[in-house]
Amino acid sequence: KQEVTQIPAALSVPEGENLVLNCSFTDSAIYNLQWFRQDPGKGLTSLLLIQSSQREQTSGRLNASLDKSSGRSTLYIAASQPGDSATYLCAVRQLRGGSQGNLIFGKGTKLSVKP
Amino acid sequence: GAVVSQHPSWVICKSGTSVKIECRSLDFQATTMFWYRQFPKQSLMLMATSNEGSKATYEQGVEKDKFLINHASLTLSTLTVTSAHPEDSSFYICSARDWTRPYEQYFGPGTRLTVT
Repeated sequence: KQEVTQIPAALSVPEGENLVLNCSFTDSAIYNLQWFRQDPGKGLTSLLLIQSSQREQTSGRLNASLDKSSGRSTLYIAASQPGDSATYLCAVRQLRGGSQGNLIFGKGTKLSVKP
Repeated sequence: GAVVSQHPSWVICKSGTSVKIECRSLDFQATTMFWYRQFPKQSLMLMATSNEGSKATYEQGVEKDKFLINHASLTLSTLTVTSAHPEDSSFYICSARDWTRPYEQYFGPGTRLTVT
């Protein structure tokens, strides 16, 4: 059974700092991995999607890496801003079912960026 | 971009009553929709997957007679929580897949259900 773990559960940093969020998964048979952002009481916004054959994806100040063989992904946020404060969720799509496979979510890392 | 809406965003109901939550894809046709439940500080848990025009597929442990899912059109799915109990209080999030981009899932803003 696939399990997704995110460390740390919560993180507080001063504005401008670079930071790394970690995600690990137990079954390396994944189709892809996705990072989401969730604001309090809100739905999910997709940040980055990494296919299983890829090593990383970048969007603006965000960079996500994937090491499928070791079951790990990191989300790097450069020059953090107060507006980055949110919960960041990591999710893997099961290989079984291909693009139709289920998303398995971690519990998230709650990030607080203080001005 | 693809937008998924949910209504209501917040609902309070009394124990024993039923409540319906709507999920709509606003600018695309969703052949598949998903319903998730999220408890505080917990991850999203998939409850069921529904394909337009057919019965929903429920995840293990989810009571299909309690959580009724209807996906009657390509833009609308509904989740009805029947005979609600306080333990059903949770954040319910729907997600939809655009049939032209099957590798993407778009998420709604969620519905906060509180059962008193």
